[in-house]
Amino acid sequence: GEDVEQSLFLSVREGDSSVINCTYTDSSSTYLYWYKQEPGAGLQLLTYIFSNMDMKQDQRLTVLLNKKDKHLSLRIADTQTGDSAIYVCAEGFAYSGAGSYQLTFGKGTKLSVIP
Amino acid sequence: DVKVTQSSRYLVKRTGEKVFLECVQDMDHENMFWYRQDPGLGLRLIYFSYDVKMKEKGDIPEGYSVSREKKERFSLILESASTNQTSMYLCASIRLADTDTQYFGPGTRLTVL
Repeated sequence: GEDVEQSLFLSVREGDSSVINCTYTDSSSTYLYWYKQEPGAGLQLLTYIFSNMDMKQDQRLTVLLNKKDKHLSLRIADTQTGDSAIYVCAEGFAYSGAGSYQLTFGKGTKLSVIP
Repeated sequence: DVKVTQSSRYLVKRTGEKVFLECVQDMDHENMFWYRQDPGLGLRLIYFSYDVKMKEKGDIPEGYSVSREKKERFSLILESASTNQTSMYLCASIRLADTDTQYFGPGTRLTVL
């Protein structure tokens, strides 16, 4: 699979904005995703962006996509303590070997929000 | 809402035991996936299935097998569990006509002693 890279840790103060960055390598990706993972739980989809878009906003979340640099970011405005979690970036692509669509995941960024 | 369920949240087994992890989705999805998640390694694909009785190896299939007898159910089998298979196992599903997202189950934390 292709590589998806993200930094492992980020700390921010409550009320500040958080920016979590991700780089990917597969230029044929169709969608890119951000998932949130609470401790001991599965992944919950936060938001996604189609690969021909530059930006998507959804309440406190803003996704920016720079396709030329293969760079994806997630901005969380007015970060709250409840936003503390692991945020996982993923890129999706059609799997040519079978009728399938697959995701490649980053290792996740642990966001810690300081009260 | 799409629901993906996994048979157990926590499981403790002994080395050499045969282990079954079951995953069920209720949205008629064609594709189903099994991942394991380990600290510092992220999610790694073990196997996936794109239709009933069809399966493909992922990145780390060694020591695992799968079964998909019905569309809604995808089972992961550890024929002879080993301590290095202690991990969090996550199941996911997706419908090809709806590539917006891969829906995940809550995960099974497996400990092999």
